[in-house]
Amino acid sequence: GAVVSQHPSRVICKSGTSVKIECRSLDFQATTMFWYRQFPKKSLMLMATSNEGSKATYEQGVEKDKFLINHASLTLSTLTVTSAHPEDSSFYICSATTLDTQYFGPGTRLTVL
Amino acid sequence: GQQVMQIPQYQHVQEGEDFTTYCNSSTTLSNIQWYKQRPGGHPVFLIQLVKSGEVKKQKRLTFQFGEAKKNSSLHITATQTTDVGTYFCAGLGSGTYKYIFGTGTRLKVLA
Repeated sequence: GAVVSQHPSRVICKSGTSVKIECRSLDFQATTMFWYRQFPKKSLMLMATSNEGSKATYEQGVEKDKFLINHASLTLSTLTVTSAHPEDSSFYICSATTLDTQYFGPGTRLTVL
Repeated sequence: GQQVMQIPQYQHVQEGEDFTTYCNSSTTLSNIQWYKQRPGGHPVFLIQLVKSGEVKKQKRLTFQFGEAKKNSSLHITATQTTDVGTYFCAGLGSGTYKYIFGTGTRLKVLA
């Protein structure tokens, strides 16, 4: 099946710093990628839809200036958490779609101290 | 906005017992997908249902899409310890491009 990678898998940063998370579709091209956030033992909350060559579409309540999304190519989308705070600590997961199926990356666990 | 609820939230079963999780959407869906997330892992796609009343089987798993395309169920026959995890449904609303995930059902199987 289609493979989606995420990097890094874990990151610990200090409050106030920015963290970039990469999402790559390894064996297919994805015009659309999705970014989710998952709190412990909770469901996946869609943050934004990343479209190649255009601005991301953010869900209600998600700060676009805090969570910067760039879809640089058909195989790469990045999420940058700017000026991170402890409340941004979470599990961030991306997905890429092909043929109406979503394939998820392994996720990035962000801890902000 | 569209909401997708799942019941039960948790289920503990003895190995060999059956298990069912139900998914209910506040709006009509174009299609619905099911995912399994193992503890510490990421969601893995199981299946997609598109047609009203559709039933699909994967070995011990049976998936059903309601006639009104607002609800779905996943039934596992004779659970095994490998079935442990959280099962999510994700619904694609009519006229939208994004999937909304259900609240999930966490399954524990006791050996």
